[in-house]
Amino acid sequence: DQQVKQNSPSLSVQEGRISILNCDYTNSMFDYFLWYKKYPAEGPTFLISISSIKDKNEDGRFTVFLNKSAKHLSLHIVPSQPGDSAVYFCAALLADDKIIFGKGTRLHILP
Amino acid sequence: EAGVAQSPRYKIIEKRQSVAFWCNPISGHATLYWYQQILGQGPKLLIQFQNNGVVDDSQLPKDRFSAERLKGVDSTLKIQPAKLEDSAVYLCASSRGWRAKETQYFGPGTRLLVL
Repeated sequence: DQQVKQNSPSLSVQEGRISILNCDYTNSMFDYFLWYKKYPAEGPTFLISISSIKDKNEDGRFTVFLNKSAKHLSLHIVPSQPGDSAVYFCAALLADDKIIFGKGTRLHILP
Repeated sequence: EAGVAQSPRYKIIEKRQSVAFWCNPISGHATLYWYQQILGQGPKLLIQFQNNGVVDDSQLPKDRFSAERLKGVDSTLKIQPAKLEDSAVYLCASSRGWRAKETQYFGPGTRLLVL
């Protein structure tokens, strides 16, 4: 039973445009969400996070939006750059610190 | 600051053999995590240490997997005997504090293939 779902295995976006990566969750007890980015043959690196008491968090080109009623969060990258091509994992935390990752979405930035 | 080190980077074994992975976390990081990432899936937490004590090992298949973190620094993860379904990338991560909200720094992983 997948509690964190990233339904798009891959996404292609033109360089300079906006990339939107989506994540849905089923457990309303999640209270913190994170996005990690992973290049091939490397470990994931932390990108941005958001607490469940907020609906938006911004860091440079990256913004995460949280819609609690829809149990949905999204990561916006504006503008998209070639170095953004990677796999993006959405992760969610329960109050007892259990962390659950989604399957990931592979983002391709096209020249 | 040196990152999380893992070795070996790749390992190929036959089923029923044993294998061990090593992780050296970032200096001063109290918490160490081992994850299993099967192809096409997200990382799944196997075990979490805070210093040399186990915080969470609820998803560790204890009949075949074991892990230790002696002296609260580096850690080893062992599988014996290995099964075909253990083929995966094993990721080690560390964080300064003990809460999962703290940023976790991942190593490059060990890719295991069980034949």
